[in-house]
Amino acid sequence: ETGVTQTPRHLVMGMTNKKSLKCEQHLGHNAMYWYKQSAKKPLELMFVYNFKEQTENNSVPSRFSPECPNSSHLFLHLHTLQPEDSALYLCASSQVLGQGRAEEKLFFGSGTQLSVL
Amino acid sequence: GENVEQHPSTLSVQEGDSAVIKCTYSDSASNYFPWYKQELGKRPQLIIDIRSNVGEKKDQRIAVTLNKTAKHFSLHITETQPEDSAVYFCAATDAGKSTFGDGTTLTVKP
Repeated sequence: ETGVTQTPRHLVMGMTNKKSLKCEQHLGHNAMYWYKQSAKKPLELMFVYNFKEQTENNSVPSRFSPECPNSSHLFLHLHTLQPEDSALYLCASSQVLGQGRAEEKLFFGSGTQLSVL
Repeated sequence: GENVEQHPSTLSVQEGDSAVIKCTYSDSASNYFPWYKQELGKRPQLIIDIRSNVGEKKDQRIAVTLNKTAKHFSLHITETQPEDSAVYFCAATDAGKSTFGDGTTLTVKP
């Protein structure tokens, strides 16, 4: 167990549904990330939070809405998704060393396999 | 922004042989280069990493080399075993943001 847990593991939703993905890290890290993994683009960064502040939004459509209430929890709220949004959504955490320093290694969760019908 | 290219996309080797995967990056500001292994149905996990002030790093059968001038880095696996079969991702990191290569599917045949 890497200390990053994601729920649910699998999710099937219709295009008009609203759902949320949850991620929790037990590693004391100060940065959390959402990645999308699909056959088309193996590991695509979506959002980055450092110290609960969003520092990166990688041109993600507004139908994906992240929330980071504290440094241990990260959510991804989903609404009116499209079938092409079907993918594995991976959460990760790391300990960022400070301004100007590279991030440390990423610890990934097991992911949520999302299917949009 | 950063662009990372990874080659080959698939690699098949005989057990005991060596495997080499290469990545190139475009942004000279990138200063941290991790490699992740993802087995089928599992999460990516870090196997080795290297910082820009180091040219080579080794951990048992796995080694990584970095050429900052040419902006490329490579993963070397020696004495491959069937359990090395997985997808391997390289990444280049700058200012807290990692850009990943498209992955290499390694198959080690017994």
